[in-house]
Amino acid sequence: RKEVEQDPGPFNVPEGATVAFNCTYSNSASQSFFWYRQDCRKEPKLLMSVYSSGNEDGRFTAQLNRASQYISLLIRDSKLSDSATYLCVVNSYGNKLVFGAGTILRVKS
Amino acid sequence: EAGVAQSPRYKIIEKRQSVAFWCNPISGHATLYWYQQILGQGPKLLIQFQNNGVVDDSQLPKDRFSAERLKGVDSTLKIQPAKLEDSAVYLCASSSGFSNEKLFFGSGTQLSVL
Repeated sequence: RKEVEQDPGPFNVPEGATVAFNCTYSNSASQSFFWYRQDCRKEPKLLMSVYSSGNEDGRFTAQLNRASQYISLLIRDSKLSDSATYLCVVNSYGNKLVFGAGTILRVKS
Repeated sequence: EAGVAQSPRYKIIEKRQSVAFWCNPISGHATLYWYQQILGQGPKLLIQFQNNGVVDDSQLPKDRFSAERLKGVDSTLKIQPAKLEDSAVYLCASSSGFSNEKLFFGSGTQLSVL
């Protein structure tokens, strides 16, 4: 089983739609969780950290479910500019950060 | 604030040749990472430095890859000899803390091995 698994997509949604991605992780001792965004041919950039209580930043909401070992990212009112690959990142064995393969989102007008 | 600097931006070599990449992290960042990102995959950690010491190099193919961070600032990653499967983007990142801090990535070096 991979340490961090994501549905690769692509998720094709119209503008204004709500879309959600899940990410599962294998190390139950993991303590830190993040979502990074990567535009085509660009470097990854931190979108948001994921806290135990969940957190929200504008149209983006991240949730953590420790019992089921998954994190989620919800995007409301999707914009064309949200089109990107969303990478789930978890700290794993040896306290290193492990990236998922990413979920591709395409928002269309 | 200057970001993470990497060079070269692109590199094309033939298999069995050697290649080196350079990275200068954000000033004051103690932790430096080299990641390999193959097309369609997420970044894979090759090596992590804390100042000039190696924290994790468990996924570095040590028979052909080497990295150093002299003086705890900039770093070089070398591949010798290169294989076709080394074609990827090599990303350098830095952070101020230790693994639980935000990573700042450079633009990467796109390597094509022919």
